[in-house]
Amino acid sequence: AQKITQTQPGMFVQEKEAVTLDCTYDTSDPSYGLFWYKQPSSGEMIFLIYQGSYDQQNATEGRYSLNFQKARKSANLVISASQLGDSAMYFCAILASGTYKYIFGTGTRLKVLA
Amino acid sequence: EAGVAQSPRYKIIEKRQSVAFWCNPISGHATLYWYQQILGQGPKLLIQFQNNGVVDDSQLPKDRFSAERLKGVDSTLKIQPAKLEDSAVYLCASSLVNGRENEQFFGPGTRLTVL
Repeated sequence: AQKITQTQPGMFVQEKEAVTLDCTYDTSDPSYGLFWYKQPSSGEMIFLIYQGSYDQQNATEGRYSLNFQKARKSANLVISASQLGDSAMYFCAILASGTYKYIFGTGTRLKVLA
Repeated sequence: EAGVAQSPRYKIIEKRQSVAFWCNPISGHATLYWYQQILGQGPKLLIQFQNNGVVDDSQLPKDRFSAERLKGVDSTLKIQPAKLEDSAVYLCASSLVNGRENEQFFGPGTRLTVL
C-alpha cells in the first residue's frame, strides 16, 4: 500500500522568498511517480510537477522544483520567488506502477505575505 | 484542447434526497476517476474506471453511491439517499494510461451541500 505524509498543515512565506513544502511517502513498489498539485480557493486542482522514481535529476518546472531524496523517501516541493498568487493548498500524491490509483496527502496551506 | 468538464458546479439538497453529478473527461483519456474531497482534507478516490470497466471502487459507499461510465466516455456519479456527511467537493479527473501520461487532469469539481 502507498502512503503520503504532509506534516505541515500551514505555512507562511514572505513575498519573493523561497519556501519548501514537505512530503514523505511510503511504498513497496520499485517504480512510482510523485506529483504535486496546487488547489487555489476556486477549488480546481492544478498540476505543478512530476518526479519519476528512476529519474536521476530533480524535476524542475519554472519556479517549482522537487527535492527528491529517494533513500529518505521524501519529495519536497520548493517554490522560489514566492508570489501572492501562490497562496493555496498544495497536495503531494503518489502513483505506483501497475496501478492507476493515486494517493494524496492531507495538504499544506501556503499563505504568501506581501 | 478542452479540459475535464463537470456539472453542476454547485448543488444544495436536503438529506435523504438524491443527486447526480456528470463528468466529461478529456478526449482520448482512458482512465476516469471520481474523488471526494471533504473540507480541509485531500481528495479521496471513490471509483476509478479504465474505459468503461471499474478498476477500483473499494472506497465507494456502495449502499448509497453508484457510478457508471457509459461507452467509456462520460461518467455519472449518483448519491441516493444523501447524508449530511456527504457534503464535499466531488472531483472528476482523467488520464491517459501509461507512464508520465498518468498525470491526472482535474475538472472544476461539484460542491455539494447536504442540509
